Order: sequence, then C-alpha cells, then structure tokens
Amino acid sequence: EAGVVQSPRYKIIEKKQPVAFWCNPISGHNTLYWYRQNLGQGPELLIRYENEEAVDDSQLPKDRFSAERLKGVDSTLKIQPAELGDSAVYLCASSPRTSNEQFFGPGTRLTVL
Amino acid sequence: GEDVEQSLFLSVREGDSSVINCTYTDSSSTYLYWYKQEPGAGLQLLTYIFSNMDMKQDQRLTVLLNKKDKHLSLRIADTQTGDSAIYFCAEASDNYGQNFVFGPGTRLSVLP
Repeated sequence: EAGVVQSPRYKIIEKKQPVAFWCNPISGHNTLYWYRQNLGQGPELLIRYENEEAVDDSQLPKDRFSAERLKGVDSTLKIQPAELGDSAVYLCASSPRTSNEQFFGPGTRLTVL
Repeated sequence: GEDVEQSLFLSVREGDSSVINCTYTDSSSTYLYWYKQEPGAGLQLLTYIFSNMDMKQDQRLTVLLNKKDKHLSLRIADTQTGDSAIYFCAEASDNYGQNFVFGPGTRLSVLP
C-alpha cells in the first residue's frame, strides 16, 4: 500500500513569492491534515478535512494561507505571499474513518529567503 | 489550551533502556500517542494508549500512563542505534481522537 505522498520535498523561494504544496493521502482515507513543523518543535495543526469539507481551520492564517481538497482526495496548501517566518516543514497526514491513527507523509521543507 | 511537554534530549548507551517522559495538561485526553521521526522523514506511529489503561507493552516498547499526574512515559528496552530519532508525545481529546496536540519532541541519541 502506498503511503502519503507529498511534493515537492524541498522548496526554496524568496519572500513575497507564492508557493504551493501538494498531498495525496492513502487511498480510502477520508480525513486529511496539514501540519506545520518548525525547527525543534512538534507539528502544529493548520487544517483538517473530512472528505472535501474543512472541519477545523482555526489555526490556519487565512490572510496568506489557503487550502483546498476539491474532490475529497488530494489536497493543495498555498501560501501567498510567503514571509520569512513561514520557513518550516509542512506535513500532510491522513487517517481512515475507522481509526484515529494518522499516517504522515515525508513533508515539504520550505525555506523562505 | 492543551499543552504537552517533553524533555528535549536523552542520551543512552546501546543495550541500555531508554525512558522518555511526557506531561500533558488536558484532563479530558482520550488517547495518548508516541510517534517516532527519523531525519528527513514524516512521523511514524509507534504505539498509543487509551486513557482508561495504565500500561501497554508491545515488544521492546512499554507505555506507562499516570492519569492522576497527567504523565506518560515510553520505555524502550535494549536500545539500539536504529532507535536514534526524535520521539513525539501527542494527546487527542475530542470524541473521535482526531485533533492531536504534539509535544516538542525528545531527541534520543544512542551511543555505541
């Protein structure tokens, strides 16, 4: 079974530029999460989807961050414009309806210069 | 809000036991988890325990939960160099165990 796929693995951009991250969850997993992990810290939830509905986006900085999961499968997280403080690893995770175990992707390491 | 704390570093000798500790503040925590993160990789679930349990053992891993003190520990027996990683404690308190709060992680270094 393929795991959670994320791309790109690494991204370096200049501040004020836009950036997008893509996630393909494990097939059949209806719940999808985006986390941000700052250096030396644990992941912090940005947004959680149940199918195509964002059920918790309270921690998403909506002035510059947006996310979508149009068909309830893969998802895109966008930052526009990026700031220096956005440098972090962005992790995607998914879980099936019948379990609370989250399966994580390898993450996208973003560096904003 | 909920808070999860861990010591940041732990060094042990190969073959010794490792004990990684975690404290949390949310008394309504339903599930408590231990995740492992190796360099450049995502988090991998090691084990979890329900809040109505005191202990769970899984091969070399033993999880102890003191609900009164809100203290969780992970013991790794016969620690190997491959166990070197960052270990995250996490708690989930909603009805579906979906909203996780992670600790800062404990970096375990195993010395030969």
